[in-house]
Amino acid sequence: DVKVTQSSRYLVKRTGEKVFLECVQDMDHENMFWYRQDPGLGLRLIYFSYDVKMKEKGDIPEGYSVSREKKERFSLILESASTNQTSMYLCASSKAGGGGGYEQYFGPGTRLTVT
Amino acid sequence: GESVGLHLPTLSVQEGDNSIINCAYSNSASDYFIWYKQESGKGPQFIIDIRSNMDKRQGQRVTVLLNKTVKHLSLQIAATQPGDSAVYFCAENRGKAAGNKLTFGGGTRVLVKP
Repeated sequence: DVKVTQSSRYLVKRTGEKVFLECVQDMDHENMFWYRQDPGLGLRLIYFSYDVKMKEKGDIPEGYSVSREKKERFSLILESASTNQTSMYLCASSKAGGGGGYEQYFGPGTRLTVT
Repeated sequence: GESVGLHLPTLSVQEGDNSIINCAYSNSASDYFIWYKQESGKGPQFIIDIRSNMDKRQGQRVTVLLNKTVKHLSLQIAATQPGDSAVYFCAENRGKAAGNKLTFGGGTRVLVKP
């Protein structure tokens, strides 16, 4: 079974702190994604990566950065956390696409609260 | 902008009845669609997918129907069980030109009444 793990289930940080969210997948997937999930807004793509060292902005990248130094690991960084970044953060991975997309496998999520 | 949406935010269904969850999409270039189930406190789990060259696909107790003419997607759950209570999301793949990114709908909550 594909397994995507996230470093924390719950996290509480103060405004202005630097926050690292870690994600690891064990299926040798090329693609990895970070989403945030807010009530009524569904899942919104923050950043994604097609390969090691590669990253691309999603729909809402402002206030976030990412790092992919190893194929299995994709980190989301909040340089200076703000209260509007309080959310559920979901990591996902998928195989590289050929003629079309592939299903994304999700981690359990990290509930981040910024006070 | 282009988006994936849902008609019903909450669906209450009697145990044993069939459930139908609907989803509208607006991107005619979308070529792949997925339904996910998300239980409380968990990440979304894959249920079933369908490619744009198909109209229907069946899984275990679930069927996905795709109507490209009206850009409509539905998930049918047969003989709904208490364990089916969850939020269901449809997602569309935006196509290779858009980097195969997924766009998710806002979700429909299914509540199964005993």
